[in-house]
Amino acid sequence: AQSVTQLDSQVPVFEEAPVELRCNYSSSVSVYLFWYVQYPNQGLQLLLKYLSGSTLVKGINGFEAEFNKSQTSFHLRKPSVHISDTAEYFCAVSQTSGSRLTFGEGTQLTVNP
Amino acid sequence: ETGVTQTPRHLVMGMTNKKSLKCEQHLGHNAMYWYKQSAKKPLELMFVYNFKEQTENNSVPSRFSPECPNSSHLFLHLHTLQPEDSALYLCASSQDDGTFSYEQYFGPGTRLTVT
Repeated sequence: AQSVTQLDSQVPVFEEAPVELRCNYSSSVSVYLFWYVQYPNQGLQLLLKYLSGSTLVKGINGFEAEFNKSQTSFHLRKPSVHISDTAEYFCAVSQTSGSRLTFGEGTQLTVNP
Repeated sequence: ETGVTQTPRHLVMGMTNKKSLKCEQHLGHNAMYWYKQSAKKPLELMFVYNFKEQTENNSVPSRFSPECPNSSHLFLHLHTLQPEDSALYLCASSQDDGTFSYEQYFGPGTRLTVT
């Protein structure tokens, strides 16, 4: 079984500031990792994913995430946020041996002017 | 975004009503999912269908009844719901090769309010 912990339920930042949304996972086997974004009144949209290869993954809208196996983390970063990045962000994990996605509880990112 | 569509987008129903939520995916995927998203709670996986067969039912009350007539369509039939069933219901689809389900694509959701 796997689990995901998103360490911050809410992250307020000012526009053009950098941001990091933290995600830790627990699994006894190798994993695939995902970040999804949910804008108000919409479904979840895939931001980026780590399946294998380079531990630094680049996604849409200028976001990137780094897989750190020793720390079992997959933190999401953006060097300069915009008002339009205000949304809820979900980290998710599945096992490479085959399993359903397990989602974290979400982090609400609020970008203020 | 038109890969996965859901109708209606909003639904208000009384506890004695019967209604259905519809989901359609245009991505050629073979797996479909229903999730419940309540405020301040993690996404709850309700049902999974692979190749039209239900493969998971995560202890969902019988007042929720799924139907998957083909790989592109998924329904959630609702009857005698409770106010605590008010939530955003999300449909998703993915390509499942039998051992691994690739990333899931979500619809916009149906906001359900039970009065």
